[in-house]
Amino acid sequence: GIQVEQSPPDLILQEGANSTLRCNFSDSVNNLQWFHQNPWGQLINLFYIPSGTKQNGRLSATTVATERYSLLYISSSQTTDSGVYFCAANYGGATNKLIFGTGTLLAVQP
Amino acid sequence: NAGVMQNPRHLVRRRGQEARLRCSPMKGHSHVYWYRQLPEEGLKFMVYLQKENIIDESGMPKERFSAEFPKEGPSILRIQQVVRGDSAAYFCASSPNPSAEAFFGQGTRLTVV
Repeated sequence: GIQVEQSPPDLILQEGANSTLRCNFSDSVNNLQWFHQNPWGQLINLFYIPSGTKQNGRLSATTVATERYSLLYISSSQTTDSGVYFCAANYGGATNKLIFGTGTLLAVQP
Repeated sequence: NAGVMQNPRHLVRRRGQEARLRCSPMKGHSHVYWYRQLPEEGLKFMVYLQKENIIDESGMPKERFSAEFPKEGPSILRIQQVVRGDSAAYFCASSPNPSAEAFFGQGTRLTVV
């Protein structure tokens, strides 16, 4: 079946460090989104990125659709970056529902 | 432009009661999705609705769960005769068209006691 896999499952960083989170998907996608779920449970949109590269401040993302993966880069991490990072793929069809990965739990220590 | 609004934020129900969760999509969005997040897990699709129509309910449990998105008013996710296993965070998302970026509400955290 359709799968979305994320790695690593968890990550501990010192404040100021950089990190790369990976998302592999099993089939061609209509779109791919990255979200940050903060410690209060709120889901925050980070990127809508079916292909190519986008940047927003200290965060950037790259999706290589032909190779079925996406990367999220976090530079100069801050404690407020802590939380769970999800990627979610939309495989189209009649529903266009999002299939979520299992997430990467990030803890940034001061 | 207000985001996706869900209420209540927290809901406590005793076993056997009914839970009603509400979702108002972003202005201009006619596509609504409901997802459930069990503790320590990712989000799982439940149902996809457009105005007055259920398009895909393949992720909904067969019994006790129903959803609607009437012509006027918010989308409603209804859980009848709740059980402890229904305790979860329920998220609503909306988009202007099926392949566009989806935006999520803050979720309703249901606790069944």
